[in-house]
Amino acid sequence: EIVLTQSPGTLSLSPGERATLSCRASQSVSSTSLAWYQQKPGQAPRLLIFGTSSRATGIPDRFSGSGSGTDFTLTISRLEPEDFAVYFCQQYGSSPRYTFGQGTKVDIK
Amino acid sequence: QVQLQQWGAGLLKPAETLSLTCATYVGSLSGYYWSWIRQPPGKGLEWIGEITHSGITNYNPSLESRVTMSVDTSKKQFSLKVTSVTAADRAVYYCARGTVTMIHGSGPYNWFDLWGQGTLVTVSS
Repeated sequence: EIVLTQSPGTLSLSPGERATLSCRASQSVSSTSLAWYQQKPGQAPRLLIFGTSSRATGIPDRFSGSGSGTDFTLTISRLEPEDFAVYFCQQYGSSPRYTFGQGTKVDIK
Repeated sequence: QVQLQQWGAGLLKPAETLSLTCATYVGSLSGYYWSWIRQPPGKGLEWIGEITHSGITNYNPSLESRVTMSVDTSKKQFSLKVTSVTAADRAVYYCARGTVTMIHGSGPYNWFDLWGQGTLVTVSS
């Protein structure tokens, strides 16, 4: 099983600042297999990024993804008030077919 | 506009069977992988398993012995059963639409782009 470890656990930032979230895999992951989701309290996750760096439909360009191998990053260039949420990375593999990171919470400083 | 709507019992006793159903309002079941994913309160996401429109299933080995998924294409619904529940099964359960596809010859790419509203399942005697 591929384990995804996200860091930091919590990121405290102010609106307008840049957020950099990390997702590290226990073994190499194909760049096409890595996705990111945003989750707000009481809501289901929302797809942000697939294939490491492709934005999903309707996702603003302040969200970007990068990385390869075992190290992947989600960057929010300038935080908007609606971006304060929990972010999960997810990979597609063999068994189990999908695993998720434990999440990074971006909260208001 | 609801695209995936799920329902089922939210309070179970230990050893009972969890049963949830998800209805899709977004076209055909064909071409997608219909998953169940759960999230213990305040924690991360765990993929439970998936089913295709033709009934092919793939389960998380950690739950496989207790999980059964089924599909009813005429109703555009798919369902989850988890037997012998314990307190450890307390979580919000989501249904989700999964895509696995090649893009310009590369991939496979994958994503979950539609999610149900979630059902909190509690196990208590």
